[in-house]
Amino acid sequence: AQSVTQPDIHITVSEGASLELRCNYSYGATPYLFWYVQSPGQGLQLLLKYFSGDTLVQGIKGFEAEFKRSQSSFNLRKPSVHWSDAAEYFCAVGPDTGTASKLTFGTGTRLQVTL
Amino acid sequence: GAVVSQHPSWVICKSGTSVKIECRSLDFQATTMFWYRQFPKQSLMLMATSNEGSKATYEQGVEKDKFLINHASLTLSTLTVTSAHPEDSSFYICSTGRDTQYFGPGTRLTVL
Repeated sequence: AQSVTQPDIHITVSEGASLELRCNYSYGATPYLFWYVQSPGQGLQLLLKYFSGDTLVQGIKGFEAEFKRSQSSFNLRKPSVHWSDAAEYFCAVGPDTGTASKLTFGTGTRLQVTL
Repeated sequence: GAVVSQHPSWVICKSGTSVKIECRSLDFQATTMFWYRQFPKQSLMLMATSNEGSKATYEQGVEKDKFLINHASLTLSTLTVTSAHPEDSSFYICSTGRDTQYFGPGTRLTVL
């Protein structure tokens, strides 16, 4: 069965500092990988996704993620965090069927940004 | 990507009543929609897969008679929480899309 692990429940960084959120997945085939962000009381917004090709993917709001098959990881990074980035971040995995498929989510990482 | 709306955004009801939550796909023909449930400070748990014109598929442990799903058109899926109880209080989120899932803004249900 597929699974996603986000080892860090809560991370605090200073505004302007770099950020890396970890995500490890377990999947029997080639996965589709996603990062979503959720502000309090809101739905999920897609930050970026990886399907195939270049293993470094760029997303919105200055975020990027790198797919490393050998490490089963898909870590999210941002070189300089802004206070508005404070939110909950979810990594998710889905099958590469090319059609609507249910996602398996990690437990999320709550990002706090100090000024 | 798909634009997804939900209505209502929040609802408070008395124990024993039923509540209907709508999920609309505004610009995408959604043959499939997914319903998730999220408890405070927790991750999303898939409840069911809603299929247009056919029965929904429920995840293990989800009571299909309690969480009724109807997906009668390509733009609308509804989740009805029947005979709601306080333990049903949660944040319910729907999603749809093709290879990428786009999520609605969520509905917060509080059962008194």
